[in-house]
Amino acid sequence: DAEITQSPRHKITETGRQVTLACHQTWNHNNMFWYRQDLGHGLRLIHYSYGVQDTNKGEVSDGYSVSRSNTEDLPLTLESAASSQTSVYFCASSVDRNTDTQYFGPGTRLTVL
Amino acid sequence: AQSVAQPEDQVNVAEGNPLTVKCTYSVSGNPYLFWYVQYPNRGLQFLLKYITGDNLVKGSYGFEAEFNKSQTSFHLKKPSALVSDSALYFCAVRDSRDSSYKLIFGSGTRLLVRP
Repeated sequence: DAEITQSPRHKITETGRQVTLACHQTWNHNNMFWYRQDLGHGLRLIHYSYGVQDTNKGEVSDGYSVSRSNTEDLPLTLESAASSQTSVYFCASSVDRNTDTQYFGPGTRLTVL
Repeated sequence: AQSVAQPEDQVNVAEGNPLTVKCTYSVSGNPYLFWYVQYPNRGLQFLLKYITGDNLVKGSYGFEAEFNKSQTSFHLKKPSALVSDSALYFCAVRDSRDSSYKLIFGSGTRLLVRP
């Protein structure tokens, strides 16, 4: 079955380290998204991509970057991890950007010490 | 700017009773509205959406939602709650005039169904 996976599921890192969270989908969706989930804020959009070589900033993009070299993967990189980036990160994908039914991965819980 | 509000942090209901989880929105164009559910330690699962047409939308697990343009609301409902419905529910909106096609999520409402 087609699916969307994230790895690792849990990560503990130290302040200042570079961290990369993986997202892989086998639906062949053009559109992929990264969100962070924090108490009281719901989901906030970090970055998104509407196809290979396309990346766009969301509302909370500072300190994060993404690259899209193929359809299946959208890795999220924290250039220099900060304690404020401790959160649960969700990747999502969709086939139709207009009607936007997004399908979510299981999430990565990141702790920055 | 588009926004969505879920005014209740938590909704408590007894099993077998009807439930309502509230959502209101603000957009400049036509709204595209969505409900998602999140179970503990899981990603969000799509429940239902309103794009156009009938104001009453039926979705997964017996849930439905009613689009009310005059009240700018999209409340989630179920006639008879189950204990297994206990989860975190998110409303989301996209503005048809937003060329970036971004979804904006509410802060979530925790539904607790007691036996």
